[in-house]
Formats: sequence, structure tokens, C-alpha cells
Amino acid sequence: SQQGEEDPQALSIQEGENATMNCSYKTSINNLQWYRQNSGRGLVHLILIRSNEREKHSGRLRVTLDTSKKSSSLLITASRAADTASYFCATDVGGSQGNLIFGKGTKLSVKP
Amino acid sequence: NAGVTQTPKFQVLKTGQSMTLQCAQDMNHEYMSWYRQDPGMGLRLIHYSVGAGITDQGEVPNGYNVSRSTTEDFPLRLLSAAPSQTSVYFCASSRDRNNYGYTFGSGTRLTVV
Repeated sequence: SQQGEEDPQALSIQEGENATMNCSYKTSINNLQWYRQNSGRGLVHLILIRSNEREKHSGRLRVTLDTSKKSSSLLITASRAADTASYFCATDVGGSQGNLIFGKGTKLSVKP
Repeated sequence: NAGVTQTPKFQVLKTGQSMTLQCAQDMNHEYMSWYRQDPGMGLRLIHYSVGAGITDQGEVPNGYNVSRSTTEDFPLRLLSAAPSQTSVYFCASSRDRNNYGYTFGSGTRLTVV
């Protein structure tokens, strides 16, 4: 079963605006990761946040993690048309299991 | 570095045929996984490996076999293809699950008729 659920399923914004995507998950995790997928392509790793971290930045990306609420958010600031893609959160429960479980994704459309 | 290489990129199979999807990585990564992606379903884990000689089942393993005889290669075998296995298949690898994300291949688009 899906561990993570992204919200919203689809998001349409204008270039220059900020985009916020949320992810909720069900069980305790070791870390949470965000990936981007351009249409018809493979996934690209964006950022990893560990369970003992609350916020992480990478360029125009800001990720927060609230383990008490089992939720994470991805903020893309000053969005560009090139940010148009699907964004997935994925959780790693750690331990001996090598599982990375994905949500169904948020489809972001940035209009020029 | 080539990263994660998947072959073939496209494949059409007839129901009942078998085939192997190839995945190779040149980054000396210990962790490798196979996912399938279907519209509206996100990515679902088929099988994964935490090192050479070690494999385990993911969420949707039925109809698929894997082996990991070397660190570099992690082939996925479809035993008897069914239309329900029509999907896009992704292979991914990571050197350290706790600190690094996964590198994905470009995918194999499989159609079973």
C-alpha cells in the first residue's frame, strides 16, 4: 500500500509564484525524500531529510518535516516554467528493509 | 559515469512470453530496486536488493523474479507476461540509503498484448 500521499494532486501556478506541495505518511520513517519527474523521463532526486531534521534547503527548494504529524512539505520559490513536472515524496523506513515507498505525486504546471 | 542504464527502452511482448529487463549501474551502489509506474498509481516497488546475493520482495512481486550476482547488475525477469504487466519499469540505485537518494534509470516502457 502507498506510504505517502501528496496533496494536492495537481497544482497550476504562474511563473514567479511559489509552489507548495504536501506529503503525509503512515508509519515511522528513517528519512523522507522528494523527487521530480519530467514527462516521460526517469525520476531525479531533489532532497533528503532525516527523521531528526525539521527543515532543509537546496537552492529554491525548502523542505520541512513534522514527524509528530507524519507530514512533509516541499516549497519551490520563484517558480519557473522549467519546474513543470510531477513531484513525488518517498519514505524510507530504515532497518534491514531496503524499501523506498513512493506516493502518487503532485503534478505541477508553471505557466509562463 | 553512465549512472543507471536500463535496456531495452521499449518492448512489446505477447501474453505468455518471458523476457528480462536489464539494469546496470557503474557507481558501486549497494542498494538497487525495481519499480513499476502506472497512471495514477505512482511508483510501486517490485523487488529490491541491499547487496550482491541478497534480494527481497517489494509491494508487487508476483510474476517477477530478480537476482543480484554482482554489485553492478540487477535484472528483472518476467516469467510469463500478462497484460496487467503493461507498465513503465524503473530501476534505481543508492550508495547509502540513510544519507543519499536514489539514482533512477530512464525506464523501460513495456506493452503486453
